[in-house]
Amino acid sequence: GAVVSQHPSWVICKSGTSVKIECRSLDFQATTMFWYRQFPKQSLMLMATSNEGSKATYEQGVEKDKFLINHASLTLSTLTVTSAHPEDSSFYICSARGGRQGAQYFGPGTRLLVL
Amino acid sequence: DAKTTQPPSMDCAEGRAANLPCNHSTISGNEYVYWYRQIHSQGPQYIIHGLKNNETNEMASLIITEDRKSSTLILPHATLRDTAVYYCIVANAGNNRKLIWGLGTSLAVNP
Repeated sequence: GAVVSQHPSWVICKSGTSVKIECRSLDFQATTMFWYRQFPKQSLMLMATSNEGSKATYEQGVEKDKFLINHASLTLSTLTVTSAHPEDSSFYICSARGGRQGAQYFGPGTRLLVL
Repeated sequence: DAKTTQPPSMDCAEGRAANLPCNHSTISGNEYVYWYRQIHSQGPQYIIHGLKNNETNEMASLIITEDRKSSTLILPHATLRDTAVYYCIVANAGNNRKLIWGLGTSLAVNP
């Protein structure tokens, strides 16, 4: 149980294009999902907290107009990187809160490369 | 949320128990201790969590000291596939509470 999927697993795009990443909780409902970014040899950095049916809460320094988050259902949250640039290249990971006492379950991650 | 301190790296022989320590001396009474691991180029994997009692599941055991200021994750029979970065995080169980990620312990299981 407690499986989270992400799609796509990797994407290469040209600078200036937008990329959408999907995060799904497959066998449980998640009222809260989280989006992280991880650069090479660094730890996970929380980007935003996504609550079903409401606006996401972004961490300081994360541009909400560049990283659009939609949490339209209890099993799906999407992250859209708008007008991507090479510096947005990173490993993007989502998690869903669904376990006992707040345990979070993570997706496999999406590796984004912007050329 | 309280901060944690972990050794940056550890080695363990395959088949032996791996004991990963974590200090969380400023933990609050309502904060849980969570352990996750991240295998290279993958998303983190939940391992175990606890409040004050020791916990065991199919993956590992979690030993929390009586004063809750430190804990140890035990992998009873480490395999090569347990090579990963292990993160100890303390946080309360509220809906929107954030997990603050440190650098964890890089565990190398050697044949």
